[in-house]
Amino acid sequence: QQQVKQSPQSLIVQKGGISIINCAYENTAFDYFPWYQQFPGKGPALLIAIRPDVSEKKEGRFTISFNKSAKQFSLHIMDSQPGDSATYFCAALPSGSARQLTFGSGTQLTVLP
Amino acid sequence: DSGVTQTPKHLITATGQRVTLRCSPRSGDLSVYWYQQSLDQGLQFLIQYYNGEERAKGNILERFSAQQFPDLHSELNLSSLELGDSALYFCASSVLGEDEQYFGPGTRLTVT
Repeated sequence: QQQVKQSPQSLIVQKGGISIINCAYENTAFDYFPWYQQFPGKGPALLIAIRPDVSEKKEGRFTISFNKSAKQFSLHIMDSQPGDSATYFCAALPSGSARQLTFGSGTQLTVLP
Repeated sequence: DSGVTQTPKHLITATGQRVTLRCSPRSGDLSVYWYQQSLDQGLQFLIQYYNGEERAKGNILERFSAQQFPDLHSELNLSSLELGDSALYFCASSVLGEDEQYFGPGTRLTVT
């Protein structure tokens, strides 16, 4: 059962544009929602994360928007750059002592120069 | 560089064989997690250890096992390998009480 649904599967954006990736979750026990960036041949790198008590978090060009009632969250990349071209994964972590991440299926972002 | 190290980087072996993947967590991190990344299944949690004890188990096959040693490094053992076990295997670590998990560079396993 896929507990975190991510869309789109792929995204092409012009340099300077806004990239938006969406995720939806089902399990209300999730209480931490990170986004990871992965380049080919590398491990996922933590980009930004949010908790359900906050509706928005911004770090530089990256912003997470969170809608608790809709059980949805999204990543916005402002002023997208070719160096942002990578695969992005949303994830969710449940409360409790078992801290296993459940990942979305990933979005391959291509930023054209 | 996350501070998590994994060896080897690449591993090529035959079906039916057994391999061991090694992970050293970031300095001070007591929790270690193993994840598998494949094209058809995506990134999936396998198992978590905290200070030497198993804390959580995910979609880990019975042919797979793991352990965390007193020096906190962890090993993932894969036996009776099948073609479908070919994947990237990642280790991640975190500090007790913190949610951030930091991933290593991974081991690419190819079973022929």
